Amino acid sequence: GENVEQHPSTLSVQEGDSAVIKCTYSDSASNYFPWYKQELGKRPQLIIDIRSNVGEKKDQRIAVTLNKTAKHFSLHITETQPEDSAVYFCAASSPGTYKYIFGTGTRLKVLA
Amino acid sequence: DTEVTQTPKHLVMGMTNKKSLKCEQHMGHRAMYWYKQKAKKPPELMFVYSYEKLSINESVPSRFSPECPNSSLLNLHLHALQPEDSALYLCASSQAPDYEQYFGPGTRLTVT
Repeated sequence: GENVEQHPSTLSVQEGDSAVIKCTYSDSASNYFPWYKQELGKRPQLIIDIRSNVGEKKDQRIAVTLNKTAKHFSLHITETQPEDSAVYFCAASSPGTYKYIFGTGTRLKVLA
Repeated sequence: DTEVTQTPKHLVMGMTNKKSLKCEQHMGHRAMYWYKQKAKKPPELMFVYSYEKLSINESVPSRFSPECPNSSLLNLHLHALQPEDSALYLCASSQAPDYEQYFGPGTRLTVT
């Protein structure tokens, strides 16, 4: 079945450095790729998303890139801050489906 | 209003109890979801309602019974649960398939 692999599972960076989280999906029909941030005890919150007709999208310190040929997409966070510390989940969705295939999550720690 | 709300925030129930979780959204979204999330894992889809009709049941045990009374409300009725059902139960909504899903804060359920 469809799956999404996410790496790394944990990531520690110094404050101010960049962080990159990578996901690979299996279903070539996937067309929508959201990224969620989940702080401890809180709800998952959408931080950025991208559709398959776009290669890159940026929102302030956060960017997402998509390589459809390789079926990879990545989250880039620049100038990391302690409040970026959380678990980040990538997901993939196919046209007309309600189901997200989630990655296994990345625990990001930003060290002050 | 861009929020999904859930009640209660916490619930402790015995294996013979019957209880219900409630979810509400006023964003005009026509799809609503129930997810189960265990610690350090991604959300796991349980049910999807589309236009108030059950669209997806991910082979969830019958001790979980969803209900969608109207387009803004979603309930999850619980009966004869097992300790392994203890988890964070998240509700979400979206305007359409393969669109962003907005999550509620969740109900932390403990089955004793």
